[in-house]
Amino acid sequence: DAGITQSPRYKITETGRQVTLMCHQTWSHSYMFWYRQDLGHGLRLIYYSAAADITDKGEVPDGYVVSRSKTENFPLTLESATRSQTSVYFCASSELTTNALLETDTQYFGPGTRLTVL
Amino acid sequence: AQKVTQAQTEISVVEKEDVTLDCVYETRDTTYYLFWYKQPPSGELVFLIRRNSFDEQNEISGRYSWNFQKSTSSFNFTITASQVVDSAVYFCALSGANAGNNRKLIWGLGTSLAVNP
Repeated sequence: DAGITQSPRYKITETGRQVTLMCHQTWSHSYMFWYRQDLGHGLRLIYYSAAADITDKGEVPDGYVVSRSKTENFPLTLESATRSQTSVYFCASSELTTNALLETDTQYFGPGTRLTVL
Repeated sequence: AQKVTQAQTEISVVEKEDVTLDCVYETRDTTYYLFWYKQPPSGELVFLIRRNSFDEQNEISGRYSWNFQKSTSSFNFTITASQVVDSAVYFCALSGANAGNNRKLIWGLGTSLAVNP
């Protein structure tokens, strides 16, 4: 199916375990993003990637690791899960476009992964 | 610093009423983009509109309309003749243009809209 998918959709894990959330997009977009959504905080950027093998920290990167060996995949790993990482995680992708002198993009989101850390 | 404020945390209306969701932003950039996203109860985030800072024309798409006013730094969203299916959380967001590798979106905290039959 075309678009952006995330797996798993739901995950329950225990404190201290390693967890990997997967994100796959079929648009060949250059940019990919990971956000977490928590009540009272809205959406916060964890990491983003401008292209394969290029990643950078967002607003809340601590405790997370990302990689991007292929353009279409952008997995997010919680190396040692903590209860504070219980959240809904969204992956997004976008492609840079140029209109006159302006560069911009629109981010399109996956369906989200609801992660619970016990 | 960039900031997006959605002062209305929750709004409740009766079906067929018109409703306006407010969005006020702060930025020092002269060029920037504004966005609205919808998050229905099913949880996905759906892109609705993108506007650049040079285009202050109002936008209408069916029952949805957007009013962008640079003078008041506002980008308000109006739903005309609301329907139950419009019930969702709506997010306003801001990003810079010509931002190189920094593609960050600055998000408001969202407005939860409940449309009651």
